[in-house]
Amino acid sequence: AQSVTQLDSHVSVSEGTPVLLRCNYSSSYSPSLFWYVQHPNKGLQLLLKYTSAATLVKGINGFEAEFKKSETSFHLTKPSAHMSDAAEYFCVVSEPNYGGSQGNLIFGKGTKLSVKP
Amino acid sequence: DGGITQSPKYLFRKEGQNVTLSCEQNLNHDAMYWYRQDPGQGLRLIYYSQIVNDFQKGDIAEGYSVSREKKESFPLTVTSAQKNPTAFYLCASSTRTGTGRTEAFFGQGTRLTVV
Repeated sequence: AQSVTQLDSHVSVSEGTPVLLRCNYSSSYSPSLFWYVQHPNKGLQLLLKYTSAATLVKGINGFEAEFKKSETSFHLTKPSAHMSDAAEYFCVVSEPNYGGSQGNLIFGKGTKLSVKP
Repeated sequence: DGGITQSPKYLFRKEGQNVTLSCEQNLNHDAMYWYRQDPGQGLRLIYYSQIVNDFQKGDIAEGYSVSREKKESFPLTVTSAQKNPTAFYLCASSTRTGTGRTEAFFGQGTRLTVV
């Protein structure tokens, strides 16, 4: 069965310092993995996705994530935080579509990122 | 522009009333989803639909109903049986990517408040 664990419910960093948001997953198959960002009272926006191509994935706004199968991790990083990065971030896993069915999306509980000036 | 549209953005309901939240997409996606979001609980799946005229219950379907008469539309009705309906509701749609895996697109959400 699929599951996603975001290891921190809240991360606080200073502007200009690195960001690390941690995500571990379990999956019976070779999964697709996604990171989404949500600003207050808004929908979710896709930051980046892993779909079995390169293990280091670059996304929008300077974010990137590395898929590590041996560690079942997909941590999100950014070298230098900006005030506009303050938001909630969700790690999502989806298993392959077998038999013509669409896979369900399993969400982590989210990590709230605060950025201090 | 292609996208997924939820309406209204804010909705107020009196206790005992049914209300319907709209979700429309013009992305030609087969699958559509409804999630409920409460503070500190992440997103919880209410219902999902993989094709027209078919839908399945998610983890918290009690007190909700859906229909999927058209590919583009997946309305959610919050019935009076839902005891705690005040929440932020998100609609999503998804498609296959080149490797056969789903990528979801989200609407901007509807905030429902019971008064």
